[in-house]
Amino acid sequence: DIQMTQSPSTLSASVGDRVTITCRASQSISYWLAWYQQKPGKAPKLLIYKASSLERGVPSRFSGSGSGTEFTLTISSLQPDDFATYYCQHYYSYPLTFGGGTEVEIK
Amino acid sequence: EVQLLESGGGLVQPGGSLRLSCAVSGFPFNIKAMSWVRQAPGKGLEWVSGINDNGGSTYYVDSVKGRFTISRDNSKNTLYLQMNSLRAEDTAVYYCAKIPAPYNDYIDYWGQGTLVTVSS
Repeated sequence: DIQMTQSPSTLSASVGDRVTITCRASQSISYWLAWYQQKPGKAPKLLIYKASSLERGVPSRFSGSGSGTEFTLTISSLQPDDFATYYCQHYYSYPLTFGGGTEVEIK
Repeated sequence: EVQLLESGGGLVQPGGSLRLSCAVSGFPFNIKAMSWVRQAPGKGLEWVSGINDNGGSTYYVDSVKGRFTISRDNSKNTLYLQMNSLRAEDTAVYYCAKIPAPYNDYIDYWGQGTLVTVSS
């Protein structure tokens, strides 16, 4: 099974900061990677698919990059609504696996 | 509007069974793959099971193989997860998830989740 490792697990940042979250796969997954945002008590929401494609309706301050085994999610200017937990997920093959999550908290 | 509405969660004793349902609307269910994803209290997301558009291919995480069965009724626009031999570690919110393709792909829509608690 492919393991997904996210870092950091927690990130403290201020409004307006540029934030980068890293996700590493235990083997090459090409660009078959998605990013999700989850707020407490809510279902996750798709942000990015195919490593760098922005889901419709998602603000352009979110961007994704990478291929193979290393990927990043960047928030160019952190907004109050962005404080949440972020997960990466590969869909290269079954079983699908998620990273452990990165909680973005207010500094 | 895409809607995924889970039901069937609740409290069950260890060793017991539950069947989760997910009624969908707002998209052509019969040409989309589906998945179940769970989240234990205070923990991260864990993919549990997936099924292709016609139900002919099913997939499971190792920890539920032989105990859980995913199925679908395309005539009723409903996804199911039959859970047998439940364990305390199966306690979680279970999300129904839509895939934007007939086969494996990312998740584009999630249900609101249904809580399964396994406890004596």
